[in-house]
Amino acid sequence: AQKVTQAQTEISVVEKEDVTLDCVYETRDTTYYLFWYKQPPSGELVFLIRRNSFDEQNEISGRYSWNFQKSTSSFNFTITASQVVDSAVYFCALSGGYQKVTFGIGTKLQVIP
Amino acid sequence: EAQVTQNPRYLITVTGKKLTVTCSQNMNHEYMSWYRQDPGLGLRQIYYSMNVEVTDKGDVPEGYKVSRKEKRNFPLILESPSPNQTSLYFCASSLSGARNEQYFGPGTRLTVT
Repeated sequence: AQKVTQAQTEISVVEKEDVTLDCVYETRDTTYYLFWYKQPPSGELVFLIRRNSFDEQNEISGRYSWNFQKSTSSFNFTITASQVVDSAVYFCALSGGYQKVTFGIGTKLQVIP
Repeated sequence: EAQVTQNPRYLITVTGKKLTVTCSQNMNHEYMSWYRQDPGLGLRQIYYSMNVEVTDKGDVPEGYKVSRKEKRNFPLILESPSPNQTSLYFCASSLSGARNEQYFGPGTRLTVT
């Protein structure tokens, strides 16, 4: 069975601080895919990034960056210079060979002005 | 506009009264899925479908049914709802399987009394 652990249930930071959201996963599949989604207070779910198990390159998109490390089964998400608009619940997710998708419980990020 | 629609958005019902939540996508996606979101539990997959007439159980399928008679539609059926099915439900679709990013509907908030 696959599993995603987001140990941080809630994080508060002051605007302009950097913040890292942790994601640790478990799977027996050799081919798998990792995702991050954002759920702002309005409730919709928005895709942020996808990584496959063969691509360990880190990725940067503006103030967002992702660090994928197979050695530690982690796929962490860093927001640099956080803004109030970053306040949301962030979900890490995993899909493997059986087409199931497993989400973590989410990390609620509050950015205080 | 590419989108996933769900109806109804809000529903209050009583125990045992059959209901259907509809889901439709206009992106010609093959993969569709239903999730429920509960506080402290994140998103959990109920059922998914790889294509027309191909459905499979997710992690929490008990008490739910689905069908996929047309590619664009993936209704969720609760034949005898119970209070523990009170939740926020999301439908999602992706191009060709769980390896792709998912597009989510706006959610259906269901209350069973």
